[in-house]
Amino acid sequence: GENVEQHPSTLSVQEGDSAVIKCTYSDSASNYFPWYKQELGKRPQLIIDIRSNVGEKKDQRIAVTLNKTAKHFSLHITETQPEDSAVYFCAAAGAGSYQLTFGKGTKLSVIP
Amino acid sequence: EAQVTQNPRYLITVTGKKLTVTCSQNMNHEYMSWYRQDPGLGLRQIYYSMNVEVTDKGDVPEGYKVSRKEKRNFPLILESPSPNQTSLYFCASSLGQTTGELFFGEGSRLTVL
Repeated sequence: GENVEQHPSTLSVQEGDSAVIKCTYSDSASNYFPWYKQELGKRPQLIIDIRSNVGEKKDQRIAVTLNKTAKHFSLHITETQPEDSAVYFCAAAGAGSYQLTFGKGTKLSVIP
Repeated sequence: EAQVTQNPRYLITVTGKKLTVTCSQNMNHEYMSWYRQDPGLGLRQIYYSMNVEVTDKGDVPEGYKVSRKEKRNFPLILESPSPNQTSLYFCASSLGQTTGELFFGEGSRLTVL
């Protein structure tokens, strides 16, 4: 089955700096890569996703890049704000797959 | 309001006492799934359902059962709970296959003594 590795497990940045979280996946057939944000005590919520026919996608201060050859994808958050503090999960799913495999999460702390 | 509703939100029980965590969605979603979240282990899939009467095992199905008799409901059953099933459980649903946004319930925190 699919295996998703996520790094780092914790990340602290100063407010205004950028944050980058990286994930690798094992199944070359995977073609859908979402990112979820989970604030303390809340449910995970989708913040951005990318499909394998696209190399990069942006939504305001967040962006995701995908390198299919290397089987890795990354989340980039620019101009970080305290409200960006949360646990972020990457995930991967294959074409026609009903299984979404998550990474173990990255706890991001933005220091004011 | 579109939502996924889980009950109970919090439960403390004892080893061996059967329990059911209910999950209901009002978005007419075909796909539903259960995850457990444990510190340092992320979200691990327990079972999923592609449609009514169609279910399959995820990565950690041992000790759990599910059923999908109606499209909106997907209960998680622990026939004989054990302490290693103490966890935070999330139900989620999406329109179709997993290549689409998963909507999560608020979570159910289960403690098995």
